[in-house]
Amino acid sequence: EVQLLESGGGLAQPEESLRLSCAASGFTFSSYALSWVRQAPGKGLEWVSATTGSGASIYYADSVKGRFTISRDNSKNTLYLQMSSLRAEDTAIYYCARYPGYSYGQTRLDSWGQGTTVTVSS
Amino acid sequence: QSVLTQPPSASGTPGQRIIISCSGSSSNIASNPVHWYQQLPGTAPRLLIDDNNQRSSGVPDRFSGSRSGTSASLAISGLQSDDEADYYCAAWDDSLKGPLFGGGTKLTVL
Repeated sequence: EVQLLESGGGLAQPEESLRLSCAASGFTFSSYALSWVRQAPGKGLEWVSATTGSGASIYYADSVKGRFTISRDNSKNTLYLQMSSLRAEDTAIYYCARYPGYSYGQTRLDSWGQGTTVTVSS
Repeated sequence: QSVLTQPPSASGTPGQRIIISCSGSSSNIASNPVHWYQQLPGTAPRLLIDDNNQRSSGVPDRFSGSRSGTSASLAISGLQSDDEADYYCAAWDDSLKGPLFGGGTKLTVL
């Protein structure tokens, strides 16, 4: 059974940093592209970042480009999102989700974690 | 404002058939597969419709998807109270070189 478990959320002040983790199990981690998707309180879904199975190719939404860094450790079956220079508008539930194959470049996410909540406030 | 446009809300009575639309452009819906997600209250989204019209595993045949030109639709027949959820369309955009979600449609079963 595919499982994705996010952690690392919490309260941060503006301009601070936070690192999210997504621990995966139940599949061959390095064979699948992964994504971070967020949802601000009462709002819709927003694609944040994505990476291929090797981590060599990466996508960032314009709203986080230059501030967030996605990475993965295939030896630990873990996906990360390093968030820096946090803003109030980054407050959201952050979901880790899996693509059905090695690459992104489409919008089919077949497995989702339960999310971790990030709150940015002074 | 999302590039993929959905009505913010929809409603129907039990047993009724409703349709949720998703309007895009030549760079997204017209040229890339559309996927639909269902998000029940307080839960993570789940894939509902794959590649325009393929039901994901375990999805009842009351749900169906279609695509025509720059628009896509999600139809739900035999509406049930359990169908109350937010529904999102999604498609890759070749111009933006990135993935897009629609703004979401909140379905209420009266």
